[in-house]
Amino acid sequence: AQSVAQPEDQVNVAEGNPLTVKCTYSVSGNPYLFWYVQYPNRGLQFLLKYITGDNLVKGSYGFEAEFNKSQTSFHLKKPSALVSDSALYFCAVRGNSGGYQKVTFGTGTKLQVIP
Amino acid sequence: SAVISQKPSRDICQRGTSLTIQCQVDSQVTMMFWYRQQPGQSLTLIATANQGSEATYESGFVIDKFPISRPNLTFSTLTVSNMSPEDSSIYLCSVVLTGSSYEQYFGPGTRLTVT
Repeated sequence: AQSVAQPEDQVNVAEGNPLTVKCTYSVSGNPYLFWYVQYPNRGLQFLLKYITGDNLVKGSYGFEAEFNKSQTSFHLKKPSALVSDSALYFCAVRGNSGGYQKVTFGTGTKLQVIP
Repeated sequence: SAVISQKPSRDICQRGTSLTIQCQVDSQVTMMFWYRQQPGQSLTLIATANQGSEATYESGFVIDKFPISRPNLTFSTLTVSNMSPEDSSIYLCSVVLTGSSYEQYFGPGTRLTVT
């Protein structure tokens, strides 16, 4: 069975500082990995994905994530946090063994950027 | 990307009644899903809505309680039947675009309160 762990319920960071939101995963075979963001009272938005290739993937709003196969991690990063980045972030994983594979979402990490 | 609308955006219903939630997508999609989310919590997949056939339900969800229709490739409905306060939640429609790498796009959600 596949799983996703987001070990931090909340991450607090000062505006202008770099931010990291952690994600580790477990899946059979090679993973497809995703980050989604949910702003208050809004639906989820796709941020970025890792399918194959370069381990560092860039996404919307200046976010990037690094795929680390040996550590089974896919941490979300941004060099300089904005107050507007404050939101709920979800990591998700699915297998890529062919056909439709169900996506498993993490429990979410609330990012609070402090002015 | 895809533009997804849901109706209603919110509702307050009495226990024992039913509510039908509509999901409309601006393009034809193969895969459409219904999720439930408690505010600030992770997503729970209810079912995959299959065009032209019965929906595929996840463990803990049954067709009698959550009947789903998918009459075409751009529209689906989820009905929450015989509601109880435990059904109070946010219901999200989600799609995967045909030919994409399985990133999901979400509707804005329907916030349901059962009294």
